[in-house]
Amino acid sequence: KNQVEQSPQSLIILEGKNCTLQCNYTVSPFSNLRWYKQDTGRGPVSLTIMTFSENTKSNGRYTATLDADTKQSSLHITASQLSDSASYICVVSAYSSASKIIFGSGTRLSIRP
Amino acid sequence: GAVVSQHPSRVICKSGTSVKIECRSLDFQATTMFWYRQFPKQSLMLMATSNEGSKATYEQGVEKDKFLINHASLTLSTLTVTSAHPEDSSFYICSAKVHGLAGYNEQFFGPGTRLTVL
Repeated sequence: KNQVEQSPQSLIILEGKNCTLQCNYTVSPFSNLRWYKQDTGRGPVSLTIMTFSENTKSNGRYTATLDADTKQSSLHITASQLSDSASYICVVSAYSSASKIIFGSGTRLSIRP
Repeated sequence: GAVVSQHPSRVICKSGTSVKIECRSLDFQATTMFWYRQFPKQSLMLMATSNEGSKATYEQGVEKDKFLINHASLTLSTLTVTSAHPEDSSFYICSAKVHGLAGYNEQFFGPGTRLTVL
């Protein structure tokens, strides 16, 4: 069964600190993995997208890693800012005629001043 | 990146009325659009896949007669919630699929529509 699991479910950190969010998946055959940021009451916005051959990709203070062997990904946020408070969603796509896309349940990140 | 808009952003209606939500791809053509529903503190749940010029494909458990989807053009898909009830109150988000330069498909999401049924 294709699944995407994220941890932790929620996280609170102080402004300026770093944090790492985890995503484990069992999607097969794997096509790509994306991290989205969703502010409250808004649609998700893409942060990074990685294919099988990529194991690190950065977007400003966001760095995503992918280990296709262990089927794990992480999103590292450096020097967190108050505006980083949001839900972070891991989305994995499978190669299929229906372009199956599986969403993780997200990690709710709160940055405290 | 590609821009997807939704209208309205918020709607409040009385129980029993129908509500139409529009999803537009502003600077590209989208043969496939998706409709999601999101309840508070939960992730997005795919409701249906909308293909231009053909009938939408609904996910299991989603009533096609209640959630009417029309994808009449390459830039517009509409979701009509018919005879809305309070339990239909939710955040509805659309997305459009774009074939990226790297060879994989990518989804761009709209800003969402908050529906409140009184």
